[in-house]
Amino acid sequence: AQKITQTQPGMFVQEKEAVTLDCTYDTSDQSYGLFWYKQPSSGEMIFLIYQGSYDEQNATEGRYSLNFQKARKSANLVISASQLGDSAMYFCAMREGNYGGSQGNLIFGKGTKLSVKP
Amino acid sequence: ETGVTQTPRHLVMGMTNKKSLKCEQHLGHNAMYWYKQSAKKPLELMFVYSLEERVENNSVPSRFSPECPNSSHLFLHLHTLQPEDSALYLCASSQDVYGESFGYTFGSGTRLTVV
Repeated sequence: AQKITQTQPGMFVQEKEAVTLDCTYDTSDQSYGLFWYKQPSSGEMIFLIYQGSYDEQNATEGRYSLNFQKARKSANLVISASQLGDSAMYFCAMREGNYGGSQGNLIFGKGTKLSVKP
Repeated sequence: ETGVTQTPRHLVMGMTNKKSLKCEQHLGHNAMYWYKQSAKKPLELMFVYSLEERVENNSVPSRFSPECPNSSHLFLHLHTLQPEDSALYLCASSQDVYGESFGYTFGSGTRLTVV
């Protein structure tokens, strides 16, 4: 079973509009971390935002916010006021547990390709 | 520049060649990672080093051999690769393997083509 599911292979959004990229995860751990990364065509993975499983508030970083619904095991990324430079692949990732286990093992989804239209 | 530098950016090698990928981080991090990104597949963790010691090896074939001489440098030595090993190889670093809110910092990757 997939640990991280991103159901949208590709998304289009009009410049200046908001867009939501979906991510659901599967874990039996009580403590885990959720990440979103952006990968432009250059290949570099750029860290966007982090949500800890015990964080009560949804994480926000500038135009990025994470809509964390723990009971539904979803961690959707919301990008407000889309810009042309937001066109890229977006990956949701999870790290299970704080200590031990698969140390440092970030499990990635297959990604969503976002295209921003002018 | 993210603080994690990978060289070369592109590499084409024959199946009988031996080559090495290099990763260097200037962030003072103690953990470094190799990930493989194949087309239409999720990123796969290959190796994890914490304080220069390998702490995880996800059943990677022996034709991939990592080396971490110090906390700032990580190598991936390649020999007798197969065409299916063609992929983007990403290096990453983090403060430590227990980091919670720290994002992993990735390099730009090496695009490897095996012919």
